[in-house]
Amino acid sequence: GQNIDQPTEMTATEGAIVQINCTYQTSGFNGLFWYQQHAGEAPTFLSYNVLDGLEEKGRFSSFLSRSKGYSYLLLKELQMKDSASYLCAVGKAAGNKLTFGGGTRVLVKP
Amino acid sequence: KAGVTQTPRYLIKTRGQQVTLSCSPISGHRSVSWYQQTPGQGLQFLFEYFSETQRNKGNFPGRFSGRQFSNSRSEMNVSTLELGDSALYLCASSWDSRGEQYFGPGTRLTVT
Repeated sequence: GQNIDQPTEMTATEGAIVQINCTYQTSGFNGLFWYQQHAGEAPTFLSYNVLDGLEEKGRFSSFLSRSKGYSYLLLKELQMKDSASYLCAVGKAAGNKLTFGGGTRVLVKP
Repeated sequence: KAGVTQTPRYLIKTRGQQVTLSCSPISGHRSVSWYQQTPGQGLQFLFEYFSETQRNKGNFPGRFSGRQFSNSRSEMNVSTLELGDSALYLCASSWDSRGEQYFGPGTRLTVT
């Protein structure tokens, strides 16, 4: 089975940096994904890590350590529009079966 | 390119009834996955279809079923509805198995 843990909620100030951690235990692994979901909207894809290391995409970066079962999403230069839930998901060995964590709600304050 | 579309957007049903939800993937995408999202359980995988075949299945009872047509459009069916089936049902499409999935707006199902 798969068990994915991430903090429930985080608060940060506009312009600051926030790091959202995700730990997982899984049988079969085909990558670690991060999605953003604004209230009342569908999730949107942010990043994908299949090898260890850091992937940078603009203000967002994601890190993976497969040996530790650990990932984080780093949000830099926070903007008010970044207030949303951030979902960590682990992909199964084959196909597109994603197992999601409970999500981290990030609140950006002025 | 048009995004993933789902119909209907909202649905109210009574316990014991059945429901069919529809999903049209992004043009060219052959994989369609279905998820259930509730406040208590979060986002949970139901099943994935690829080229008209069920490729993966989650841990949901047999009342939940799906299918995919030759044009990649997919439907999911829930029979003998229960109150606990009230949820947002999301469909996601993908071109390959890399997992970068594009979600539709969802169908909000309320069972009374």
